[in-house]
Amino acid sequence: DGGITQSPKYLFRKEGQNVTLSCEQNLNHDAMYWYRQDPGQGLRLIYYSQIVNDFQKGDIAEGYSVSREKKESFPLTVTSAQKNPTAFYLCASSIDRAGYYGYTFGSGTRLTVV
Amino acid sequence: GESVGLHLPTLSVQEGDNSIINCAYSNSASDYFIWYKQESGKGPQFIIDIRSNMDKRQGQRVTVLLNKTVKHLSLQIAATQPGDSAVYFCAEFSGWRSNFGNEKLTFGTGTRLTIIP
Repeated sequence: DGGITQSPKYLFRKEGQNVTLSCEQNLNHDAMYWYRQDPGQGLRLIYYSQIVNDFQKGDIAEGYSVSREKKESFPLTVTSAQKNPTAFYLCASSIDRAGYYGYTFGSGTRLTVV
Repeated sequence: GESVGLHLPTLSVQEGDNSIINCAYSNSASDYFIWYKQESGKGPQFIIDIRSNMDKRQGQRVTVLLNKTVKHLSLQIAATQPGDSAVYFCAEFSGWRSNFGNEKLTFGTGTRLTIIP
């Protein structure tokens, strides 16, 4: 089955650590996105990539980094510069670069700082 | 800047009744809207979409209405079931035609729908 896979489902980070969240899709979608979800605040865009080897900052990119070396993969690194990283992280992809046919979401990674 | 918002953060509906979830948007240039359903601990799932050249679109037990005059979107769920309990998001597609390369979906805060048995 085609889909978008996020791993791990739960992740714990110590203060000062960098952690990387995985996002893989086998839908042959062009664009991929990372969102952060906090209670009562909906979805906020962190980074997005419309083509391989290119990505753009979203609304809350500070403290995060991404790479898009392969079409199928768009990992997100939460760096120590992100002061409040505890949240639910969602990865999405769209069939076209513009996202004009909507997004397909992964099942999310819940990151907790301990 | 543009925003997509919801009138009510929570909605409780008796099982079997119909529910209506509302959404206001502010970007009059937006021409594509999507409703997503998110169950606890899961990613959002596509429910139904509508383009701006339509006023109404129906799916299985769901209907989306678009009123461009007042920039209002609604999701109607008929004969609600316990499995309909979730958070529902509307999303607005912005940037198309006016700024190619900067298109993305903008999501509202969400409405939590609870079905009462």
